[in-house]
Amino acid sequence: AQSVTQLDSHVSVSEGTPVLLRCNYSSSYSPSLFWYVQHPNKGLQLLLKYTSAATLVKGINGFEAEFKKSETSFHLTKPSAHMSDAAEYFCVVSPDGGFKTIFGAGTRLFVKA
Amino acid sequence: KAGVTQTPRYLIKTRGQQVTLSCSPISGHRSVSWYQQTPGQGLQFLFEYFSETQRNKGNFPGRFSGRQFSNSRSEMNVSTLELGDSALYLCASSLDRGTGAFFGQGTRLTVV
Repeated sequence: AQSVTQLDSHVSVSEGTPVLLRCNYSSSYSPSLFWYVQHPNKGLQLLLKYTSAATLVKGINGFEAEFKKSETSFHLTKPSAHMSDAAEYFCVVSPDGGFKTIFGAGTRLFVKA
Repeated sequence: KAGVTQTPRYLIKTRGQQVTLSCSPISGHRSVSWYQQTPGQGLQFLFEYFSETQRNKGNFPGRFSGRQFSNSRSEMNVSTLELGDSALYLCASSLDRGTGAFFGQGTRLTVV
C-alpha cells in the first residue's frame, strides 16, 4: 500500500530563516514524489518533482527537496523564507504502476516578519 | 501557454440537485484528474481520465461520475447533491503519470 505522511501540520519561521517541511512516504513501487503549494483561494502549484533521477531536486522559488530512500523521506527545504512563502504545502506520492495519487494532509507554513 | 481552466469558479446548489463541472486541460495533456478538497478530509482523489477512458477511481459513491472528451476536456457530475458535497473541486492535467500535474483554480461548490 502507498501512503504519505507530512510530519507537521503547522510550521512557523521568521523571514530570512531556513524552512524545513517534512514528508515521509511508503510505496511498494519506485515512487514519483512531488511537492505542491497552495495559496489561499488558489489551486495547487507544482514546486518540484522527483522521478528517479537526481536525489536532490531543485524547484521553483528557491525550494529544493532531497529523496532519501533509506529513510523513505522527501523533505522540502528553502535556505531563506520570504513572506510570500506563507501557504499550505502538500507532499504527494504517485507510485509507478498506475495507482491513484495520494496527497499528504498538508503543512501550513507561517512566516513572521 | 494557457493553464488548466475550470468553470464555473463558484457554484451554489440545493440539496438533491445535480451539478456538472468542467475542466479544460493544458494543450497536449491527455490525463485529467479530479480531486475534492474539504477542511476535514483534505485532498481526496476522485478519478483520472486518460484518452477518454477512466483509468483510476477513488472511493466515492456512484453519485460522482465523470467523462473525458476527444479534445481531453473533462466534466464531472455529481447527482443528488448532499450538504457534505460542499467542497473545492480541483482538476489537474498532466502529460502522463509521473510527470507532475498542473492544477486549475478549482470550482467552489456550496450545497445549501
